Amino acid sequence: AQTVTQSQPEMSVQEAETVTLSCTYDTSESNYYLFWYKQPPSRQMILVIRQEAYKQQNATENRFSVNFQKAAKSFSLKISDSQLGDTAMYFCAFMKYFGNEKLTFGTGTRLTIIP
Amino acid sequence: EPEVTQTPSHQVTQMGQEVILRCVPISNHLYFYWYRQILGQKVEFLVSFYNNEISEKSEIFDDQFSVERPDGSNFTLKIRSTKLEDSAMYFCASSDGSGLRGYTFGSGTRLTVV
Repeated sequence: AQTVTQSQPEMSVQEAETVTLSCTYDTSESNYYLFWYKQPPSRQMILVIRQEAYKQQNATENRFSVNFQKAAKSFSLKISDSQLGDTAMYFCAFMKYFGNEKLTFGTGTRLTIIP
Repeated sequence: EPEVTQTPSHQVTQMGQEVILRCVPISNHLYFYWYRQILGQKVEFLVSFYNNEISEKSEIFDDQFSVERPDGSNFTLKIRSTKLEDSAMYFCASSDGSGLRGYTFGSGTRLTVV
C-alpha cells in the first residue's frame, strides 16, 4: 500500500515571498503520478500541478513548480511570488500509473499568506 | 470548463436516517469516485466505480454504503442508516482514465448527522 506524508501541518509566509511545501511518499510501484491539490476555505479540491514519475523534468504551472526526487521519494511544491489567494490547505496525492486508480492523500499543509 | 456537480451542498440528517448524495460527473468520463473528508482531516477514498460496478472500495465503505448510477448522468452515494461519525464532507470525482489529467472533483456535500 502507498503512504503519503506531509510533515508541515501549518506554514505562513509574507505576500510575494516564495514558499516550499514538503511531501514524501512510500511505494513499491515504479510508475505512478503525483499531484498537489489546493483546498481553499470553500473546501473545493482544485488540482494545482501533476507529475509523471517516469519524467525526470520537474513540472511547472505558472508560479507553481515541483521538485521531484524519485530516488528519495520526495515531491515538494514551490510557490513563487505568493498571493493572498494562495491561502489554503494543500494536499499531496499519489496515484498508481493506470490512471483510473484511487488517490492516496497526505494529511495536508495549511498555508497562510500574510499581507 | 466541464464541472462535476454535487447536490445538495449541505445536508443535515438525524442519526439512523438514510441519505442519498448526488453527483453529475463530467459527461465523457467513465470512472467515478467518492471520497470523504472528516473536518480537519485528510481526504479518504471510499469507492471507485466503472462500467456499472464497483472497481475498488475501502474499509470505510461497509454495508451501510452503496453507490449507483441510476441513469446516464447521475452517480449517487447512499448511506442507509447514518451515524454521528458519518458527519463529513463527501466529494464526488470523475476521470477519463488518463492519470495525466487526474480527477475533477465536485465542490462537495457537507453532511451533518445529528
